[in-house]
Amino acid sequence: QKEVEQNSGPLSVPEGAIASLNCTYSDRGSQSFFWYRQYSGKSPELIMFIYSNGDKEDGRFTAQLNKASQYVSLLIRDSQPSDSATYLCADLYSNYQLIWGAGTKLIIKP
Amino acid sequence: GAVVSQHPSRVICKSGTSVKIECRSLDFQATTMFWYRQFPKQSLMLMATSNEGSKATYEQGVEKDKFLINHASLTLSTLTVTSAHPEDSSFYICSATLAGGVETQYFGPGTRLLVL
Repeated sequence: QKEVEQNSGPLSVPEGAIASLNCTYSDRGSQSFFWYRQYSGKSPELIMFIYSNGDKEDGRFTAQLNKASQYVSLLIRDSQPSDSATYLCADLYSNYQLIWGAGTKLIIKP
Repeated sequence: GAVVSQHPSRVICKSGTSVKIECRSLDFQATTMFWYRQFPKQSLMLMATSNEGSKATYEQGVEKDKFLINHASLTLSTLTVTSAHPEDSSFYICSATLAGGVETQYFGPGTRLLVL
């Protein structure tokens, strides 16, 4: 049974600092991972995906994948209050399904 | 690109009635569509996987006769909650997969259902 684990938080980060969100996965054969952001009362929106070992950067966001240690992380630089949301990590399963982590609630304090 | 719409965004109905929710991929053809429900402060729960022209695959514990899914085309899937009851009140969200490269799910804005 594939599993994705995330600390539910809340993770509190001061404005302007780097927020670091982490996720571990159980299936060593997993290839592709996604980060979504979900604001309260809204549906998830895609931030980015990663499938290669190492870092992938997109604006203020950097996803990191370490297949040997089976973890995925998301760094948010220069955190803004508008980044306060729940961040969902997901592992791509067969038939395009995603195995979801429970999500980490991030709070950016002004 | 990769926009998914849902209609209606919010619906209030009486117990015992049926409610239909539409999910459309507006600017791409979706290989697969998914239906989720989410209760307040809880995680997304996958209800079913839907492919155009074939029967939906339901997750364990989801009643297929209560949650009817029709996937009429590569851009439209519908979820009908039949004989809705107050315990069906929830946030229903669809997603559509854009194939090619890494298959990525894009979510609709969700439908908030309240059954009185």
